[in-house]
Amino acid sequence: EPEVTQTPSHQVTQMGQEVILRCVPISNHLYFYWYRQILGQKVEFLVSFYNNEISEKSEIFDDQFSVERPDGSNFTLKIRSTKLEDSAMYFCARVTGMVKNTEAFFGQGTRLTVV
Amino acid sequence: DAKTTQPNSMESNEEEPVHLPCNHSTISGTDYIHWYRQLPSQGPEYVIHGLTSNVNNRMASLAIAEDRKSSTLILHRATLRDAAVYYCILRGLDNTDKLIFGTGTRLQVFP
Repeated sequence: EPEVTQTPSHQVTQMGQEVILRCVPISNHLYFYWYRQILGQKVEFLVSFYNNEISEKSEIFDDQFSVERPDGSNFTLKIRSTKLEDSAMYFCARVTGMVKNTEAFFGQGTRLTVV
Repeated sequence: DAKTTQPNSMESNEEEPVHLPCNHSTISGTDYIHWYRQLPSQGPEYVIHGLTSNVNNRMASLAIAEDRKSSTLILHRATLRDAAVYYCILRGLDNTDKLIFGTGTRLQVFP
């Protein structure tokens, strides 16, 4: 059973539309991360989320992006107005503590295709 | 983040041991050495991590040089399922919580 479940596995959306990607951890942990990977490129950090607040975000994570934990369980990444260049795999991860000495569990990802 | 250097690619035959090197000459005393791998079309997967001593788990072994400026991930018997991109990542007190992925080493395993 996976530590982190992501839905949907694949989403196709039109440019300019809003998308919401979901992440459901099995256990109730406090540290979450979103990463993305454009096809053929590196895994890139987007944002870290600790205790229901953003603790760090990258330059990629601009005003088009937001994260929430709306119901205390699911963890969402919203892209308000998608662009073609947002097409990528998006991975959610959770850790049990400070990641320097713990392992991060990644989900299987959501493939976002913007057309 | 502290930098690591890995070969772009390596090859192995099935059931042979594989030694994946990583250089991290600027490592600080509080940096942990982490290894993750990414199988095709999957998310990154934790493999192993260590600080100073060699580490073993069910997936692999991590050999850390005495001066800690390099480390080697050892897969004792490669299987076809071990074909993946392997990432060597440093995490330390001076770093924020995030993992920074480089380009890693693409391991090919031949039957």
